[in-house]
Formats: sequence, C-alpha cells, structure tokens
Amino acid sequence: DQQVKQNSPSLSVQEGRISILNCDYTNSMFDYFLWYKKYPAEGPTFLISISSIKDKNEDGRFTVFLNKSAKHLSLHIVPSQPGDSAVYFCAASDYNTDKLIFGTGTRLQVFP
Amino acid sequence: GAVVSQHPSWVICKSGTSVKIECRSLDFQATTMFWYRQFPKQSLMLMATSNEGSKATYEQGVEKDKFLINHASLTLSTLTVTSAHPEDSSFYICSARGFRNTEAFFGQGTRLTVV
Repeated sequence: DQQVKQNSPSLSVQEGRISILNCDYTNSMFDYFLWYKKYPAEGPTFLISISSIKDKNEDGRFTVFLNKSAKHLSLHIVPSQPGDSAVYFCAASDYNTDKLIFGTGTRLQVFP
Repeated sequence: GAVVSQHPSWVICKSGTSVKIECRSLDFQATTMFWYRQFPKQSLMLMATSNEGSKATYEQGVEKDKFLINHASLTLSTLTVTSAHPEDSSFYICSARGFRNTEAFFGQGTRLTVV
C-alpha cells in the first residue's frame, strides 16, 4: 500500500523553465511534508518542507504547495538549472506514528 | 544542514555472515532514526523507526531478527544484517531527526553486496 505516490517517474525540462513535480498521498494523518533530492549511490538531501497548517512555502528557487483537501503537494523549481537534474522524492510524516514515508520518486532532467 | 555520517559506505560479505552498519548524527541529537532500503530504480522503503533507548518499530514484512537495530544513544544507531544472503544485497540508508515535524537528514548510504 503506497501511501505517498509520485505518478510521474520522469520529467524533462529545458533550462530556465519551471519544473513542477507532483506528489499525492492517501493518509489524512500526515501533517508534515518534505522534498528531497537524490543522486545515485548517495543519501537524499533535504530541500524544503511544509507543515499542514500552511499551503505554501518558498525557499529561493524552490516552492512547495500543499492542497490538503486534494491530498496533493507539488514542488516548483524556477528557473530550472542543469544541476537540478536528479531524482526527487516527496516524503510525509505522521505525527502520531513518527514515521517518515517516501514517495516513489521522479527523475528530473534539465537540458540546456 | 545537519550532518549524518553512515559507515561503511560499501561492504562485501560472504553469505551467512553478519554485517553492522553505523549511523551517527554528528552535530545534533537524534531522538528518532530511520532505516531505509532502496532497490535499483525503486523508492526508499522504510524498514524501521527507532527512538533512543527503546526498541525499534519494524515495518510489515521486515524481519526484526534478521535486521537488528540498536539506538543506544542520541547520536548513534546501528543496523546489523544477520546471516546475510545474496537477496539482502541492497543500498541501505539511515536518517536522523531531532524532533517530530522537522526535517530528517540522511547518511551517505551503504551498498551491501552479499556473495
């Protein structure tokens, strides 16, 4: 039972344009959401997070949007850069169980 | 961000032997540590969640007698793969978090190959 899903396994975007990565979840008890970037054979690197009491959080080129009613969040990267090419994972945390559950990942490729 | 050190980064062992992987939070106290496993081209699968000083909570399907987790201090957790078999070959990653609803920081991962 995949509680956190990223339905697009890959995304290709031209440099300078916006990258939009999507994530859906099913567990209504999730109240904290995170995005991570991962390169092969390395641990994930934290990018940005959002609490369920907010619907938007921005940090430089990265913005995360949360739509609780739709159980959907998205990560916007603008402008996209070739160095952003990696696999991006969304993750969700349940305050009661303290678990951190990851989505299936989206491979982003930013081309010149 | 905070630093989490995982050691070793890769290990090759013979079938039937045990392997211990260490995860240390270097500049913060980790009340919670997570252990994940990643198969090629797949997501991070949560194996267990451990809180300092208490027994780990294992996810369904993860054998607690095979994957021994110890979280003896606020800066160290260990995962021991006991009686390893080739199917245990995988990429294991630890993560540490200070408080609930804060970001978790990850180690570099350990590539385990059982031959």
